Amino acid sequence: DAGVIQSPRHEVTEMGQEVTLRCKPISGHDYLFWYRQTMMRGLELLIYFNNNVPIDDSGMPEDRFSAKMPNASFSTLKIQPSEPRDSAVYFCASSLTSGANVLTFGAGSRLTVL
Amino acid sequence: AQSVTQPDIHITVSEGASLELRCNYSYGATPYLFWYVQSPGQGLQLLLKYFSGDTLVQGIKGFEAEFKRSQSSFNLRKPSVHWSDAAEYFCAVARGDTDKLIFGTGTRLQVFP
Repeated sequence: DAGVIQSPRHEVTEMGQEVTLRCKPISGHDYLFWYRQTMMRGLELLIYFNNNVPIDDSGMPEDRFSAKMPNASFSTLKIQPSEPRDSAVYFCASSLTSGANVLTFGAGSRLTVL
Repeated sequence: AQSVTQPDIHITVSEGASLELRCNYSYGATPYLFWYVQSPGQGLQLLLKYFSGDTLVQGIKGFEAEFKRSQSSFNLRKPSVHWSDAAEYFCAVARGDTDKLIFGTGTRLQVFP
């Protein structure tokens, strides 16, 4: 298996622009998680899905952030409009039902908002 | 709510020396405990986990961790550090098998030759 695949690996955009980050989880994994990593706040869980259904989105910072999982093999995290404080590395991770917290992480998407 | 504390932000050791990274958790019952490692520019990788049973757990890359209920700790150890162990290490806690993970703030390990 190719592991959890995230794209793009790097994104530089200007404030106010829409940003879409993509994730392909490992086939057969029922859970998908989006994390954000910054120097100031460390690793924060933004949202997670179980069988494509959002279970907990309490970590989503504000309405500018949205996440979808239209099918078992694809998820997006969208920021609209983006702000400089959104600059961070965004990680997607997936896991099996039998070990929802044994995560396999993607390599991350580094977002810079100018 | 459960939480996890890693008191050491940065640790430096010489190659070949022993290592212990500290982790303390706050949770009423026995949590699920994890150690993850993050190499520069990479995602996190699971080193080891504790769910129940033997309180000393073995992980990959020669790491082990010991669960001590009386101290609410789950410290990570390695008897002899290699230069390739330089990375950031995260302790994490969950309430159960399907609960979300809460990560500590991480400990950056630097290894000198």
